[in-house]
Amino acid sequence: EAQLVESGGGLVQPGGSLRLSCAASGFTFSSYEMKWVRQAPGEGLEWIAYIGTDGTIYYAPSLMGRLTISRDNAKNSVYLQMNSLRAEDTAVYYCVRKSGLYSFHMDVWGKGTTVTVSS
Amino acid sequence: QSALTQPRSVSGSPGQSVTISCTGTSIDVGGYNFVSWYQQHPGTAPKVIIYDVNKRPSGVPDRFSGSKSGNTASLTISGLQADDEADYHCCSYAGTFRNWVFGGGTKLTVL
Repeated sequence: EAQLVESGGGLVQPGGSLRLSCAASGFTFSSYEMKWVRQAPGEGLEWIAYIGTDGTIYYAPSLMGRLTISRDNAKNSVYLQMNSLRAEDTAVYYCVRKSGLYSFHMDVWGKGTTVTVSS
Repeated sequence: QSALTQPRSVSGSPGQSVTISCTGTSIDVGGYNFVSWYQQHPGTAPKVIIYDVNKRPSGVPDRFSGSKSGNTASLTISGLQADDEADYHCCSYAGTFRNWVFGGGTKLTVL
């Protein structure tokens, strides 16, 4: 069964940095495009970053410059480095698998890791 | 403010049908047949229930159906059951720059 497990969330002060990790199992990780999606308390979902199988990267325009997504196929892992964190970055961050090369939906979600930005 | 517009809440009685709308523009919902819907129960991760406008993943009951007309996509849930009470989020591919956009989510209450 395909699984994603996020880690690295926690409490961080405004202006600080955090690195989230996502460990994949149960599928051929290197063959799948991966994303990060976040959900602020009581709010909807927001796509924030994408990394393709060939290393192609996209970020949500509003967050470009503060995020760095990367992957390590040898470790079946994807990472999200977040800098200059603000209170509005407080959210649950989900690691998500894009279902396939020619499809655009997200078929496997992790349970999420919570990031709280507060002094 | 989310890119796609969904009603904040809808409700229905067991056995009834409800429809949730998701309105975007010609450069997202209207421009691609890549609308997906996600069901999210409280405290859990979202789960895809509709993709490519009207396709269901295996294991999703045929009570769930999707459609699209112009810049508006819709999710219809027929034969409402208590377990359908959840938040529903729509998502559309929006091209290389914006990539994926979501709606603000709709809370479904089964009366």
